[in-house]
Amino acid sequence: AQSVTQPDIHITVSEGASLELRCNYSYGATPYLFWYVQSPGQGLQLLLKYFSGDTLVQGIKGFEAEFKRSQSSFNLRKPSVHWSDAAEYFCAVVLGRSGGSNYKLTFGKGTLLTVNP
Amino acid sequence: DTEVTQTPKHLVMGMTNKKSLKCEQHMGHRAMYWYKQKAKKPPELMFVYSYEKLSINESVPSRFSPECPNSSLLNLHLHALQPEDSALYLCASSHALDQGRPQHFGDGTRLSIL
Repeated sequence: AQSVTQPDIHITVSEGASLELRCNYSYGATPYLFWYVQSPGQGLQLLLKYFSGDTLVQGIKGFEAEFKRSQSSFNLRKPSVHWSDAAEYFCAVVLGRSGGSNYKLTFGKGTLLTVNP
Repeated sequence: DTEVTQTPKHLVMGMTNKKSLKCEQHMGHRAMYWYKQKAKKPPELMFVYSYEKLSINESVPSRFSPECPNSSLLNLHLHALQPEDSALYLCASSHALDQGRPQHFGDGTRLSIL
């Protein structure tokens, strides 16, 4: 069955340190890939997306993600974390590319990021 | 600031009450979604509307009744809810249903059932 895996439930980093959040998907073809962030008490905000083309995508708030087909991964990175980045991060995929269920976002279980001062 | 507006932000209701959640977007999106999110879990899809017509019902109990009066507005009518229905209810919209376009989320309504 298709799935999205975020191996890290909780990550703690110091402010100013670099960050990498992992995401792996299990699917035969390349899906549409997304990273969302959810701050406490708020909805989900789209950080970035990958559909095709350049495998390194830039997003908002200084985040980037790299699609690696060979590893079925789409890891999120930031070179220097700010205290305001503390939040829950969700990797998500849309598994269908045409017709069918290509509307349905399948989410990973999320990674909670804590930032120490 | 989110471009999808949800009201109310918080709602407390008894199990016999009838209430409605409202969602509005003015981005010209023609697909709108309702999600339910329990604490420390990812959102779960409930309903999908495309061009104001219900496209998907993810086997949601009938005590939840969605409505899409026009292309900008999505409602979720609630009746005879159970305590386990307490959750954050998120609305989202996207350009269309069939192009894998990203979904834009509102800030949600925090629902508590007494």
